[in-house]
Amino acid sequence: DTAVSQTPKYLVTQMGNDKSIKCEQNLGHDTMYWYKQDSKKFLKIMFSYNNKELIINETVPNRFSPKSPDKAHLNLHINSLELGDSAVYFCASSQEVHGLAGRYTDTQYFGPGTRLTVL
Amino acid sequence: DQQVKQNSPSLSVQEGRISILNCDYTNSMFDYFLWYKKYPAEGPTFLISISSIKDKNEDGRFTVFLNKSAKHLSLHIVPSQPGDSAVYFCAAINLGNQFYFGTGTSLTVIP
Repeated sequence: DTAVSQTPKYLVTQMGNDKSIKCEQNLGHDTMYWYKQDSKKFLKIMFSYNNKELIINETVPNRFSPKSPDKAHLNLHINSLELGDSAVYFCASSQEVHGLAGRYTDTQYFGPGTRLTVL
Repeated sequence: DQQVKQNSPSLSVQEGRISILNCDYTNSMFDYFLWYKKYPAEGPTFLISISSIKDKNEDGRFTVFLNKSAKHLSLHIVPSQPGDSAVYFCAAINLGNQFYFGTGTSLTVIP
C-alpha cells in the first residue's frame, strides 16, 4: 500500500491551461505539504495544511491554490499555467509528536512526485 | 535565502569505502536535522535524523554527525554499496516546525 500517492505522475500541458494535481495519504497524519523541486534540485515548500487548515503559505503566485477536502487529501490547483511552472511537485505528510521541549514535526513521508511540463 | 546548503552537488566513491556527505546551515535556531535519500522518479525517503541536543546518531551503516558550533552536519556511509547511489538531501526543522531542505548531493558508488 502506497503511503502517500499523487496523481498524475506526469502532466504535459500548454501555457494558459488550468490543471490539478491530487495527493492522498493513508497514514492518518494531520499535516500535509506541497513542495516544488526546481531545476536546481532545490525542494521549496509551497503550502502546509494541518487538519484541513492552511498553516504555511510561502511566497507562491496566487495562481496556485491548495484545497484540502479532508485531512487525508491535499490537492494543488494551478490556474493559467506558465513556462516557469515546469517542475516536479512533491506532496508530503507528517504527524506531530510530543517531546520534552514541546511539539515537533515527525519525519515527512513523500509522494512519488508529479513532473509538470508546460509547453 | 537558502538556510541549508549542500555545497557538493556530486560525489563518487569506490564500493566498500566511506562516503561523507556534508551540509551547512545558517540558522542557529534549527532544532532537528534529517537526511533523506532520493532515487530517480521517486520521492525522498527518510534515512536518519539527529536532535540538536546530540552530536552523533548511528543506524547501521549510516551515521550522522552534528557540529553545532560550526553549524555543520555530515552523513557517513560505511561501507558504501552500489545501492547507496542516489541523491541525498539534508533538511533542518526550526522551532516553528518548518522544514528547510538543502539542494542535494548526488552520490555514485562505483562497484
